[in-house]
Amino acid sequence: DTGVSQDPRHKITKRGQNVTFRCDPISEHNRLYWYRQTLGQGPEFLTYFQNEAQLEKSRLLSDRFSAERPKGSFSTLEIQRTEQGDSAMYLCASSLMEWNEKLFFGSGTQLSVL
Amino acid sequence: AQSVTQLDSHVSVSEGTPVLLRCNYSSSYSPSLFWYVQHPNKGLQLLLKYTSAATLVKGINGFEAEFKKSETSFHLTKPSAHMSDAAEYFCVVSVSGGGGNKLTFGTGTQLKVEL
Repeated sequence: DTGVSQDPRHKITKRGQNVTFRCDPISEHNRLYWYRQTLGQGPEFLTYFQNEAQLEKSRLLSDRFSAERPKGSFSTLEIQRTEQGDSAMYLCASSLMEWNEKLFFGSGTQLSVL
Repeated sequence: AQSVTQLDSHVSVSEGTPVLLRCNYSSSYSPSLFWYVQHPNKGLQLLLKYTSAATLVKGINGFEAEFKKSETSFHLTKPSAHMSDAAEYFCVVSVSGGGGNKLTFGTGTQLKVEL
């Protein structure tokens, strides 16, 4: 499968714990995006990378959230001191750097904070 | 700010009948608009995109959408629904700038297809 893959598919954690998600984009894609989707809503933009540089962060991304893409390939999204409001589906997408590029989405990581 | 409004949260049709999913957009200039579909436990998939080349856009699986500037609409249609079309559909507007393609999603329309 050469699509965007995310790991894990599901994560259950207790409030206050740290969690980390991983995204492996399509290999030749130099842009990588993170979105968050809560129940009954459309996905919301969190942040994006062009190669290893994080170029934009949403106001939704509080100080407890950090994302990295150290070698311009896979990316990690870490949430520290999780809160119940962090429960959501975290989606990763990748694309080529071109005008009106097409985003390819992974299946997401479903986070449940108890 | 650019945004989209999906007018129906749920639509139910019979198999073989037409599908209409409504979307209105708000934009201060000519937008890039998309429709994405999300099947359970699968990633979001692009159905079609409008980028000002033609007002009637054909997508995958028999779907098409028409951009109507006078009505600020971008409704998604399909002549004949199939059971496999049951999914959640998102109307999306793109905000380009800063080098990235930031997508703003609508709240989604859940399509149910009945026998």
